[in-house]
Amino acid sequence: GAGVSQTPSNKVTEKGKYVELRCDPISGHTALYWYRQSLGQGPEFLIYFQGTGAADDSGLPNDRFFAVRPEGSVSTLKIQRTERGDSAVYLCASSSTSGGGENTQYFGPGTRLTVL
Amino acid sequence: DQQVKQNSPSLSVQEGRISILNCDYTNSMFDYFLWYKKYPAEGPTFLISISSIKDKNEDGRFTVFLNKSAKHLSLHIVPSQPGDSAVYFCAASRSYAGNNRKLIWGLGTSLAVNP
Repeated sequence: GAGVSQTPSNKVTEKGKYVELRCDPISGHTALYWYRQSLGQGPEFLIYFQGTGAADDSGLPNDRFFAVRPEGSVSTLKIQRTERGDSAVYLCASSSTSGGGENTQYFGPGTRLTVL
Repeated sequence: DQQVKQNSPSLSVQEGRISILNCDYTNSMFDYFLWYKKYPAEGPTFLISISSIKDKNEDGRFTVFLNKSAKHLSLHIVPSQPGDSAVYFCAASRSYAGNNRKLIWGLGTSLAVNP
């Protein structure tokens, strides 16, 4: 079966522009997470979806960041008025929630965002 | 405030020897711990995990040990192979509402296995 896919793999944009990053989770996984990894750091949690709803968006840095998952599968992370500090690798992960609390998260390859 | 700490940024090991990667955590609410491996330009790949009710979990060449009293875990790779060269991340989670198991990550340890 296919793993988690993310598009685009690379995105270069100019400061102030709007970008959308897409995540296609593993089929049947109801849980979806977005993380952001800056150079030399570990990934940092952004937002968690259970089905269609954003159950935890406490990691979104500010209101320029928004994410949706309208049909409970594909998710889009949207960043408005991009800033140079938004440059990072954006990672998406999905997991099932059927097996107790410790459901392993499987990651996509990430989208490398560069804001010039 | 770093809740998950990997204090060794890098480690170099000879092929065939044991690699030991260490991780410390501060939050006693964490109840599940995972190790991920990451190659450049790829997403993290799950390696092995351990629940806080256990002190050891083994999968082939990989063993994770958990010392809850010391809030310390370690990943042992025996024998180490050149293909194991990658960045290894320690991550921890706890139960939140709505089956949320968001991961808190360390900074990673870059492992180089030399032929």
